[in-house]
Amino acid sequence: QSVLTQPPSVSGASGQSVTMSCTGSSSNIGAHYDVHWYQQLPGTAPRLLIFGNNKRPSGVPDRFSGSKSGTSASLAITGLQAEDEADYYCQSFDSRGVVFGGGTKLTVL
Amino acid sequence: QVQLQESGPGQVKPSETLSLTCVVSGDATSSFYWSWIRQPAGKGLEWIGRIYANGNTNYNPSLKSRVTMSLATSKNQFSLNLHSVTAADTAVYYCARGDPPYYDFRQWGQGTLVTVPS
Repeated sequence: QSVLTQPPSVSGASGQSVTMSCTGSSSNIGAHYDVHWYQQLPGTAPRLLIFGNNKRPSGVPDRFSGSKSGTSASLAITGLQAEDEADYYCQSFDSRGVVFGGGTKLTVL
Repeated sequence: QVQLQESGPGQVKPSETLSLTCVVSGDATSSFYWSWIRQPAGKGLEWIGRIYANGNTNYNPSLKSRVTMSLATSKNQFSLNLHSVTAADTAVYYCARGDPPYYDFRQWGQGTLVTVPS
């Protein structure tokens, strides 16, 4: 049981947009801790996609964007491409350390 | 270019101690903080704990009683010991660097599979 709750799966057609959620509580996201997002392709280590709620590391396309409100955060992907098919994880903090979401599998139709 | 590389046995017997080392190249362990994260097959990421450059540690409460981490700054490496393992500890284990000021994990090792037979 992960501390942060993510939908197990989302899907979208190539070229379309999707949004995935990450729900926490007043102990983590709602306590003003930052949210980060990672993309994990099969058989590889996670890759940082969004940091500090809404910032992109260099090299991450602007098709990816993050937002945070209250006790939740969201990751949006526009212009879906086949290579976006992956698992996506949100991460934040609480008073005891680092917490992750259970991950969302994105299928590009 | 920073690189992290995990090393350790691929299999550990039940009740024994799982020991892994992460060697950091291209950077110094005397800054940032350093974490271990694991992922059972087909499941999500689980944070195990972190060690700061000053040696302070924080562990996942669910694993705290069985985890110890250490830092060897002179060797640019840090280590994980997970005691009294069971089959439930079978996972890919990643080491990662926490980058200030946001302490996101933007540097990861490739991961190493550790199996504990049931």
